[in-house]
Amino acid sequence: NAGVTQTPKFRVLKTGQSMTLLCAQDMNHEYMYWYRQDPGMGLRLIHYSVGEGTTAKGEVPDGYNVSRLKKQNFLLGLESAAPSQTSVYFCASSLAGTGGHQPQHFGDGTRLSIL
Amino acid sequence: AQSVSQHNHHVILSEAASLELGCNYSYGGTVNLFWYVQYPGQHLQLLLKYFSGDPLVKGIKGFEAEFIKSKFSFNLRKPSVQWSDTAEYFCAVTGNNRLAFGKGNQVVVIP
Repeated sequence: NAGVTQTPKFRVLKTGQSMTLLCAQDMNHEYMYWYRQDPGMGLRLIHYSVGEGTTAKGEVPDGYNVSRLKKQNFLLGLESAAPSQTSVYFCASSLAGTGGHQPQHFGDGTRLSIL
Repeated sequence: AQSVSQHNHHVILSEAASLELGCNYSYGGTVNLFWYVQYPGQHLQLLLKYFSGDPLVKGIKGFEAEFIKSKFSFNLRKPSVQWSDTAEYFCAVTGNNRLAFGKGNQVVVIP
């Protein structure tokens, strides 16, 4: 089982460029998440999805958009990249839960640098 | 908003020493509690979880955590650490479809 796969693993962008990070999971999980990890800040939730066709804002959604057109894929888009978006991005997925989120399975991360 | 506090962000200790990492949360309702570990250069992995039942939870690699509802805490412990426990540890709390991670504890174990 591949679990949660993120592509690309590394990317360097110039300010103002756009790009899409792809997350794919093969565990038939309902919930999917995008986080950014910055030194001393822990993981901060950007957006998440509780099912195909649904998305919701997390803690730091500004500057990002997401789409969940297929259950197994969760895309994170940066329309106009800014240096403040330099970070390591993690995707995660989990089973659906009642009243609370289930344990999450994480991808290996995407290291993104904005010049 | 729900928040999670982890203290002592950087911990350095010798092999065989005991480890305890604190986690406090602010949410007052029913919660699910997690500890995740991130080894250098790797993704986060689940260490242990608490949903209900016995408040003392045992996880992988000899770790355990105790849920104390009255103190809104879920502290992680290991009686005797190894060099391979060098990692960053994150506490996470969910409830009412909200989810929050703490800022992490960077633990370095010296051989």
